[in-house]
Amino acid sequence: AQTVTQSQPEMSVQEAETVTLSCTYDTSESDYYLFWYKQPPSRQMILVIRQEAYKQQNATENRFSVNFQKAAKSFSLKISDSQLGDAAMYFCAYRSGGGAQKLVFGQGTRLTINP
Amino acid sequence: GAVVSQHPSWVICKSGTSVKIECRSLDFQATTMFWYRQFPKQSLMLMATSNEGSKATYEQGVEKDKFLINHASLTLSTLTVTSAHPEDSSFYICSASSPGQGHQPQHFGDGTRLSIL
Repeated sequence: AQTVTQSQPEMSVQEAETVTLSCTYDTSESDYYLFWYKQPPSRQMILVIRQEAYKQQNATENRFSVNFQKAAKSFSLKISDSQLGDAAMYFCAYRSGGGAQKLVFGQGTRLTINP
Repeated sequence: GAVVSQHPSWVICKSGTSVKIECRSLDFQATTMFWYRQFPKQSLMLMATSNEGSKATYEQGVEKDKFLINHASLTLSTLTVTSAHPEDSSFYICSASSPGQGHQPQHFGDGTRLSIL
């Protein structure tokens, strides 16, 4: 079974600075997808960024980018120019490329933005 | 973008009663829906996969007689917590995916906060 590990329960960063959230995963599959979701206090799940395993190029969405290291099974999220609205729980998630599309989530990292 | 509606957003009920939570895909047909449970300060744990027109697939440790799932149409899945007890109090979230869109991310409902007194 696939597992996702986020080793940082909490992180904090100064507003406008850059922060990197770590995520590692374990799988024997070659076809899969990786996601970062943001969950603010409202508890709504918001997709931040996604990465297809077959793509070597790291995904980027505005201030959010990932460092996808397939061989190391690492998928970190970098947030540049941190804003107060970025404060939330961040979950890394794995999904198989075929068959069931269920998501396997990491434990989450609580990100605090210091003004 | 695709929208998933979940209702109710918050429910409080007495121990022993049954509670139904609805998950609707508003602008796409969802052959598969997922039900997650989230305890405070914890991650989302998949409870079951709901397949339209067939029985749900439950994750290990989830009581299928306790958590009844029905996916009678391509736009609606329901989760019924039967004979609810205080330990069932949690945050329940559904998500949906559309057929042939395996490369697309799942769309989440806004969740239901269930409190059993």
